[in-house]
Amino acid sequence: KQEVTQIPAALSVPEGENLVLNCSFTDSAIYNLQWFRQDPGKGLTSLLLIQSSQREQTSGRLNASLDKSSGRSTLYIAASQPGDSATYLCAVTPSNQFYFGTGTSLTVIP
Amino acid sequence: GAGVSQSPSNKVTEKGKDVELRCDPISGHTALYWYRQSLGQGLEFLIYFQGNSAPDKSGLPSDRFSAERTGGSVSTLTIQRTQQEDSAVYLCASSRMATGLNQPQHFGDGTRLSIL
Repeated sequence: KQEVTQIPAALSVPEGENLVLNCSFTDSAIYNLQWFRQDPGKGLTSLLLIQSSQREQTSGRLNASLDKSSGRSTLYIAASQPGDSATYLCAVTPSNQFYFGTGTSLTVIP
Repeated sequence: GAGVSQSPSNKVTEKGKDVELRCDPISGHTALYWYRQSLGQGLEFLIYFQGNSAPDKSGLPSDRFSAERTGGSVSTLTIQRTQQEDSAVYLCASSRMATGLNQPQHFGDGTRLSIL
């Protein structure tokens, strides 16, 4: 069964810093990998989706990379802002399923 | 409304009762997804529908769980003979037609289910 791990579990940074969140998965046979953010008491917001044939995707201050062979993805957030504070989840799709990591709780301090 | 709507937002019920959770997807979205989020288990994928069809039901935790979708729109997740371990937030999402589950999903705010 696919296992997805996210490190660190929690992260606190001062506003303006660049930061990297990590996601690793055990089975490289995936169709795609997605990054989501979740605000307290809310559902998830899709941030970036990387197809298995791609190596990275960018949206604004966010950049996600995918290395299927090593089972790793990173989410890079540039010039962090207090509004970026949330829990960030990665999910991989091997077939008709999603497997989620346990998330990284990010706090950006003004 | 323009987003995914879930009802009820909160449900408290006694162990052994049946519960039905409802999800209204975004108009025009053909794919619909159900997830469960609990403290001890993180976010767990349950099932997804492409139109009215669910290609893979193996994510449902037990045979007490069932889901259906009719008319390619509203979906209901039914839990029979609820147990305390069913307590969780149940999230629903929808997306445009998803081949290989490769479309961005739009989530509702969830139903918080508490089993006494």
